[in-house]
Amino acid sequence: AQSVTQPDIHITVSEGASLELRCNYSYGATPYLFWYVQSPGQGLQLLLKYFSGDTLVQGIKGFEAEFKRSQSSFNLRKPSVHWSDAAEYFCAVGAGIDYKLSFGAGTTVTVRA
Amino acid sequence: NAGVTQTPKFQVLKTGQSMTLQCAQDMNHNSMYWYRQDPGMGLRLIYYSASEGTTDKGEVPNGYNVSRLNKREFSLRLESAAPSQTSVYFCASSDSEMIYEQYFGPGTRLTVT
Repeated sequence: AQSVTQPDIHITVSEGASLELRCNYSYGATPYLFWYVQSPGQGLQLLLKYFSGDTLVQGIKGFEAEFKRSQSSFNLRKPSVHWSDAAEYFCAVGAGIDYKLSFGAGTTVTVRA
Repeated sequence: NAGVTQTPKFQVLKTGQSMTLQCAQDMNHNSMYWYRQDPGMGLRLIYYSASEGTTDKGEVPNGYNVSRLNKREFSLRLESAAPSQTSVYFCASSDSEMIYEQYFGPGTRLTVT
């Protein structure tokens, strides 16, 4: 069965420090990979996506993610965090043609001054 | 463009009551989706509509019905609400060329007492 794991439930980071959020997936087929961000009380906003090609992808708000097939991972990074990055982040994976986008449980990021 | 819109934003129901959640998109997308979000579980697919005139069950369809009214609108109905349906409901849409790149509405927070 396909699954998406975000090992860290909650991460606290200082403003200006770097951030890395982990995502591992279990899929038989070549996956489509996404990161979404959800600010409190808001919907999900697409940060970035990976379909094929260059394994390092750039997204909005200064985020990037790296696809590592050998590790079945798609980790999200940001070099310098801003207070406005406090939110919940979801990794999502799709494969095949079943229309089902599978989500991880999410990682909540707290930014301290 | 408004993107994906949902009404209402908040709703409180008593057990056994019924209601319909409305969703509309103005991106000319063929596919639309309903998810529910529960703490620690990410998002789970309830129903989806691959194209106008079709609907299919997702991961957690029990207790729900859907209607794809036209290309723009996709509604979710709870016929007899139960406390277990207390959740945040998100509608999403995607283009048929990339079904997994889904764009989300702001959500409906539903409480069933």
